[in-house]
Amino acid sequence: EVQLEQSGGGLVQPGGSLRLSCEASGVTFNTYWMHWVRQVPGRGLVWVSTIDSDGRSPLYADSLRDRFTISRDNAGNTLYLQMNRLRVEDTAVYYCARGERSGYYYGLDVWGQGTTVTVSS
Amino acid sequence: EVVLTQSPATLSLSPGERATLSCRASQSGSSYLAWYQHKPGQAPRLLIYDASNRAPGIPARFRGSGSGTDFTLTISSLEPEDSAVYYCQRRSNWPLMYTFGQGTKLEIE
Repeated sequence: EVQLEQSGGGLVQPGGSLRLSCEASGVTFNTYWMHWVRQVPGRGLVWVSTIDSDGRSPLYADSLRDRFTISRDNAGNTLYLQMNRLRVEDTAVYYCARGERSGYYYGLDVWGQGTTVTVSS
Repeated sequence: EVVLTQSPATLSLSPGERATLSCRASQSGSSYLAWYQHKPGQAPRLLIYDASNRAPGIPARFRGSGSGTDFTLTISSLEPEDSAVYYCQRRSNWPLMYTFGQGTKLEIE
């Protein structure tokens, strides 16, 4: 069974940093693109970032590219999201999700359980 | 940048009825259009990809259709557990990016 296990959320002060992790099991991790999606409380899903299978081509939502960095460790089957200079409006549940297989998009078919990030003083 | 507009914002129906959810894109483009079901406290669940292909394990009651700028998710013979927020999402190829609609809340009463 394919699973994505998330960790790394929590409470952080404005201006602080946090790194989210997403460990994959039961899947050939290095053949898939991976994504981060977030949901601000009371709002809808928003795409955050995407990384291709070999980690060479990260993509970001325009408003986040200067503060967030996506990366992956294929040897360790783990996806990361480094979040710097966090703002109150970054408070959300963050999900990792599996995307493209061999470059073709079949939707985000496997999701992590979500991790809560709270930015507050 | 593509904008996806979903309608209606809220839909209230009874068990056994049919739900029709709309997703309209601000511009035509790729057919990489997906639908997700999201219940409180759970991760989103992929229902449909490529506008009309059901994901593995998704019941035949869920049907996706459409092309270009207009897409529809139809859920026939509603069941109480279908209560959720439904999102459409599109992958645009140029520039490469991903966009979600704002969601339709489906209430089964």
